[in-house]
Amino acid sequence: RKEVEQDPGPFNVPEGATVAFNCTYSNSASQSFFWYRQDCRKEPKLLMSVYSSGNEDGRFTAQLNRASQYISLLIRDSKLSDSATYLCVLNTDKLIFGTGTRLQVFP
Amino acid sequence: EPEVTQTPSHQVTQMGQEVILRCVPISNHLYFYWYRQILGQKVEFLVSFYNNEISEKSEIFDDQFSVERPDGSNFTLKIRSTKLEDSAMYFCASSVFPSDTEAFFGQGTRLTVV
Repeated sequence: RKEVEQDPGPFNVPEGATVAFNCTYSNSASQSFFWYRQDCRKEPKLLMSVYSSGNEDGRFTAQLNRASQYISLLIRDSKLSDSATYLCVLNTDKLIFGTGTRLQVFP
Repeated sequence: EPEVTQTPSHQVTQMGQEVILRCVPISNHLYFYWYRQILGQKVEFLVSFYNNEISEKSEIFDDQFSVERPDGSNFTLKIRSTKLEDSAMYFCASSVFPSDTEAFFGQGTRLTVV
């Protein structure tokens, strides 16, 4: 089983839509979880950390379910500028990346 | 805003040649990393470095690879004898702590081995 699994997409959604990405992980000892965003041929950039209690940052909501080893990212009111690849990332003193889910928001 | 800088942005080299990729991490960070991303694939961990020594390395980081912090600011990745399959984007990253904190990535060096 892969350490981090994500649906590669692409998810094609209209502006204003709500879209959700899921991620599962196999290492139950993982302590920290993140969502990174990567634009085409650019470096990954931290979008948000993910906490067990769930956390929200503007239009973005992240959830962690340790029992199911499952992480989610919800984007509300999608903007054209949200088009990117969203990377589910575990931190075990090094970052373990999923393959990413590509999002394309269209007008 | 402090940032990780990498040079060069693009390096083309012939198979069998040595390359050195350079990085300047954020000045108060203590942990340094190299990752690579082959085109169309996921970002993969290569090596972590702390207190002037390698903390952890992946299976990818074989004897052809080495890292060095030659002075107080630079962090380098050397590939001794490049292969075609070394063609990838190489990202340097740094962080204050190894976990629970954000790792900041440089813009990457695109290595093309011909």
